[in-house]
Amino acid sequence: DQQVKQNSPSLSVQEGRISILNCDYTNSMFDYFLWYKKYPAEGPTFLISISSIKDKNEDGRFTVFLNKSAKHLSLHIVPSQPGDSAVYFCAASDYNNDMRFGAGTRLTVKP
Amino acid sequence: GAGVSQSPSNKVTEKGKDVELRCDPISGHTALYWYRQSLGQGLEFLIYFQGNSAPDKSGLPSDRFSAERTGGSVSTLTIQRTQQEDSAVYLCASSLDRAYNEQFFGPGTRLTVL
Repeated sequence: DQQVKQNSPSLSVQEGRISILNCDYTNSMFDYFLWYKKYPAEGPTFLISISSIKDKNEDGRFTVFLNKSAKHLSLHIVPSQPGDSAVYFCAASDYNNDMRFGAGTRLTVKP
Repeated sequence: GAGVSQSPSNKVTEKGKDVELRCDPISGHTALYWYRQSLGQGLEFLIYFQGNSAPDKSGLPSDRFSAERTGGSVSTLTIQRTQQEDSAVYLCASSLDRAYNEQFFGPGTRLTVL
């Protein structure tokens, strides 16, 4: 039961360009969304979050967009840097605070 | 200023043996979670502890899996009679509480069952 889906297992972009990572969810009760970043041999680290009352949240080079009607969110990284190369997990939680994670997207930023 | 720590970092065991995985959460964090990540899969929720409340065990895949949290701090995940499909990275996370606080993850334990 994949309630949170990241359909692109990998993404490759050139340094300086925009990276767009996508995430879709099926449970309309989800109201809080997070992105985590994971380097090899390390645990995921929190990157940015968004509540369902917003449609955009920005933090430096990272912006998360939420489209509730489409049950879709995306993470934009501008400009992309080689150090951004990692696996990015999308997560969603509901009023019970049950959190579900996507399968992750491996981002490679080429110099 | 330590983060979440887990031990061992790697564990190789034979099918049928029991294993124990340990998690030390961040001091003061009342919520503790166990997840596992199998190859190519997302993070699968296993179990959740919040303070002194009864744990949420809804994610445990079978009765071979159990977990304890002693004194509201250290947690141990035990897998009995391991099977090859138990091979995964087991991640522990903690947060101040469950209410929308971001979770801080440990580095994980990579379990390989031969």
